[in-house]
Amino acid sequence: KAGVTQTPRYLIKTRGQQVTLSCSPISGHRSVSWYQQTPGQGLQFLFEYFSETQRNKGNFPGRFSGRQFSNSRSEMNVSTLELGDSALYLCASSRGRGWGETQYFGPGTRLLVL
Amino acid sequence: AQKITQTQPGMFVQEKEAVTLDCTYDTSDQSYGLFWYKQPSSGEMIFLIYQGSYDEQNATEGRYSLNFQKARKSANLVISASQLGDSAMYFCAMAGTYKYIFGTGTRLKVLA
Repeated sequence: KAGVTQTPRYLIKTRGQQVTLSCSPISGHRSVSWYQQTPGQGLQFLFEYFSETQRNKGNFPGRFSGRQFSNSRSEMNVSTLELGDSALYLCASSRGRGWGETQYFGPGTRLLVL
Repeated sequence: AQKITQTQPGMFVQEKEAVTLDCTYDTSDQSYGLFWYKQPSSGEMIFLIYQGSYDEQNATEGRYSLNFQKARKSANLVISASQLGDSAMYFCAMAGTYKYIFGTGTRLKVLA
């Protein structure tokens, strides 16, 4: 069974630009979560989508948004990039049935904002 | 509020020895899951082991075991017979309904 895939793997952008990251979950998984990982803040939860609906959200500004398609693939968008948005963005998928489910992570997208 | 605490920023262990990575948690939920993930320098988070809050037996997966002490709210990871490839960051995580929280991680270095 194929794992979680994320594209692109690496991105370099400049301040003020916007970026879209993509995540394809494991087949059969309907929940996709996004995380930001930085050396200073660690792993922080951005949001979770299930059946095309945002089901949970972390404490990030509105510049961070996401969506999920009917095939469970998800995209995350960051508008008006700031230097502090440089991070590893990880996507994780699970069946989404409820509590205590194992999430499986993709390889991540490394974003560098100059 | 839910919280995960990993108090060991870094650990060293000799190859072939066992090592315990500490994790304590705080939650008011009755139902939750506890997880350990490994993150090599490549960045990918690799799932290692899971323990449900209602599981009475400690979880084991090959060389990994989870020492679950519910009353003390601890979920320590034990790696037996350490290998050089075990050198990585290790994260403890807790899952309630639809949401994960992660600890700050422990960087493990296995010495030859």
